[in-house]
Amino acid sequence: QKEVEQNSGPLSVPEGAIASLNCTYSDRGSQSFFWYRQYSGKSPELIMSIYSNGDKEDGRFTAQLNKASQYVSLLIRDSQPSDSATYLCAVTPDDKIIFGKGTRLHILP
Amino acid sequence: NAGVTQTPKFQVLKTGQSMTLQCAQDMNHNSMYWYRQDPGMGLRLIYYSASEGTTDKGEVPNGYNVSRLNKREFSLRLESAAPSQTSVYFCAALGDRDTEAFFGQGTRLTVV
Repeated sequence: QKEVEQNSGPLSVPEGAIASLNCTYSDRGSQSFFWYRQYSGKSPELIMSIYSNGDKEDGRFTAQLNKASQYVSLLIRDSQPSDSATYLCAVTPDDKIIFGKGTRLHILP
Repeated sequence: NAGVTQTPKFQVLKTGQSMTLQCAQDMNHNSMYWYRQDPGMGLRLIYYSASEGTTDKGEVPNGYNVSRLNKREFSLRLESAAPSQTSVYFCAALGDRDTEAFFGQGTRLTVV
């Protein structure tokens, strides 16, 4: 069974601080990695994708990938109350998209 | 451009009843997926279709069937609903494995 593991949280971070979300995956053949954000009662929406080892930055978001350690992370700088949501890590080892259980992030005003 | 459309948005069923959840996409994507989401469980894959005419089981297929009617439509059928199938169901479409998956707005199903 191909798995994606995340800490369920909740992760509480003061407004303006850096939020760090982590994810590990089991299938070494995985090529594509994604972070989705899901607000309560809403559908998931893509915020970052990463395919190569290293860092990828997009605004306040930075995704980090380490294929040797089978580890993906998401950093959110200058956290805002609007960042409070569940963050889902996703991996595509083959034709399927496998999601982790998600990490609930709460930004403290 | 509607993206991925699911119907219905809400449904209450009695145990043993059957129903079909509909999903349609207008993005010409090859792959379509059905997930269920329960509290604390993330998104669990029920069935998927990598291309028109093919379907495969995911992590939790028991109690469900699917039909990839054409490239646009992918339906999920519950033949005999059980309370354990109370969940939020999401349909998603994907162009290829390296791109973004687009989700429908979800169907909240309650089986009593």
